[in-house]
Amino acid sequence: DQQVKQNSPSLSVQEGRISILNCDYTNSMFDYFLWYKKYPAEGPTFLISISSIKDKNEDGRFTVFLNKSAKHLSLHIVPSQPGDSAVYFCAASAGNNDMRFGAGTRLTVKP
Amino acid sequence: DGGITQSPKYLFRKEGQNVTLSCEQNLNHDAMYWYRQDPGQGLRLIYYSQIVNDFQKGDIAEGYSVSREKKESFPLTVTSAQKNPTAFYLCASSSAFPGVGEKLFFGSGTQLSVL
Repeated sequence: DQQVKQNSPSLSVQEGRISILNCDYTNSMFDYFLWYKKYPAEGPTFLISISSIKDKNEDGRFTVFLNKSAKHLSLHIVPSQPGDSAVYFCAASAGNNDMRFGAGTRLTVKP
Repeated sequence: DGGITQSPKYLFRKEGQNVTLSCEQNLNHDAMYWYRQDPGQGLRLIYYSQIVNDFQKGDIAEGYSVSREKKESFPLTVTSAQKNPTAFYLCASSSAFPGVGEKLFFGSGTQLSVL
């Protein structure tokens, strides 16, 4: 039962353009959402988070948008850089220790 | 440098064999977790521990065992009862429960394969 879904396994964008990664969830009890970034042969590293009381959180080039009614969140990277090429995981939690992850989206930023 | 160390990076298991994956952290975190990643799937929780000498099953605990004798260490044993052990295993830690504003810190993972 996949409660967090990332329907796009891969995304390719040109350097300098916007990257938009999407994530959908089914559990309305989720109240905290995170994005992690993973390079090959490394563990995921935290990128940005948002709680359900907000609809937007920004950190430099990275912005996460949350649409609770649609149970959808997205990560925007502007401008995209080749170093952003990685796998991005969306994660959600219902305020306990059970954090659910999506399958990941592989982002490739072309120079 | 503070962080989480997983070893070995690659591990091979023979039929009927138990193998143990090591996870050590020096972040002084109370909570530790083991996740399994299969191709095309998200990370699935195997076991977690909130404090020393206590641990709880996650979604896919069957065929696995853990111990938490020290705050810094949370080894995972893949037993012979786990019929499909080939996967990428990730250990993580946090200073509090995720969902109350805390994030997980991950190790670099162990790739387990069956011979």
